[in-house]
Parts: sequence; C-alpha cells; structure tokens
Amino acid sequence: AQSVSQHNHHVILSEAASLELGCNYSYGGTVNLFWYVQYPGQHLQLLLKYFSGDPLVKGIKGFEAEFIKSKFSFNLRKPSVQWSDTAEYFCAVSLFSGGYNKLIFGAGTRLAVHP
Amino acid sequence: DAGVIQSPRHEVTEMGQEVTLRCKPISGHNSLFWYRQTMMRGLELLIYFNNNVPIDDSGMPEDRFSAKMPNASFSTLKIQPSEPRDSAVYFCASSSGTGPMSSPLHFGNGTRLTVT
Repeated sequence: AQSVSQHNHHVILSEAASLELGCNYSYGGTVNLFWYVQYPGQHLQLLLKYFSGDPLVKGIKGFEAEFIKSKFSFNLRKPSVQWSDTAEYFCAVSLFSGGYNKLIFGAGTRLAVHP
Repeated sequence: DAGVIQSPRHEVTEMGQEVTLRCKPISGHNSLFWYRQTMMRGLELLIYFNNNVPIDDSGMPEDRFSAKMPNASFSTLKIQPSEPRDSAVYFCASSSGTGPMSSPLHFGNGTRLTVT
C-alpha cells in the first residue's frame, strides 16, 4: 500500500539552529510532492511543492526541500529556524492513478523552536 | 477569493446524536476532500470527490459516516449516530485539475467536533 513516512514525530530546536525533517514515500509511479505547515490553531498551508524539474525546490519563509528519486525521499530543510517556525509539518504525496490524484499525508512532525 | 469555508467551527454534541459538517470549496475547484485529524492517527483522508462524484471513500471509518456533494459548491459529512471516538478536527480541502500535475490543496479552517 502507498504510504508516507516522517521519521521524527517531535523536534525541539533553539533559534538559529538548522532544521532537516525526513520524509520517505512508498510508490513507484508518478508522484507530486508537498510539504504543508500547520501553525497552532490554524489550518494546513502549502509550504512548497515539487512536480518536476530541479529536484531542489524553494518554498516560503526560507524553507527548501530536495527530491531524491532513488531514495524515495523529500526532506525539508531550513538553515536557521525562528521561534515563529513552531508548527506541525506534514509531508504529502500526490499519487496519480486511474486518472485521479490522491493526496496521502505523513503523520506529521511537531517542531518546537525555543528562543 | 474566500477560500474553503467550513461550518461550524466548533461542534459539541452528545453521543448518539447526528452531526452534519458543511463545506464550501473554492469556486472553480473540481476536487474536494474530507480529512480527519487526531493526535493518535494524524491526518486521515476520509473521502474525496471529483466533479461531485465520490472517487474514493475507502477512508470512511464505518457506516455511521456518510458524505455527499450535491453540487460543485457544497458538500456535507454526516455522522449518525456520533460516538466519543469521533471527536477530532475535520478538514475540508479543495483543488483543481485531475491530471498528473495536481494543484495543491487549499484547506478550510476545520470543524472541531467533540462528542461527549
């Protein structure tokens, strides 16, 4: 079955630390890849997406992610986190099958950034 | 663009009661998704519609759950009868396109359901 795995459930960092959140998926077909962010008490918002082309994609607020096809991975990175990055981060994979897209989310990673 | 609109924002009900959650997708979007978010299970896809037709309802937990999309601008998720374990935040999301280059989902603010 198709699945999305996020390696870390909780991450605690100090401001200015570097961030890398792991994401792996299991599906051999055509995929589109996304990272969504959910700030406390809010709905999910798109952080960045990969459809094709340059495997290193840049999103909002200084986030970037790298698609490594051979590893089925799409890790999220940020060189220097801020307190305002405290949120839950979801990796998602859109599977194109049977003429339709189906978006599958990982379990999420809660990031807490301490000042 | 008003975004995806969900109502109510909060719902508190007693076990056994019927609950109806509502969603208005973004105008022009042809795909609509219902997700449930809990601490234990994270974000689960319950059902999704394309052009008002249910495409995949394999995530619907059991027969107590039903979803409809009578037209392109409205969908409902109904739980009858509700149980305490249904307590969660229910998100509706919409997107456009059905080809491989799918557009990102736009989420509503969610409905926080508490069943006592």
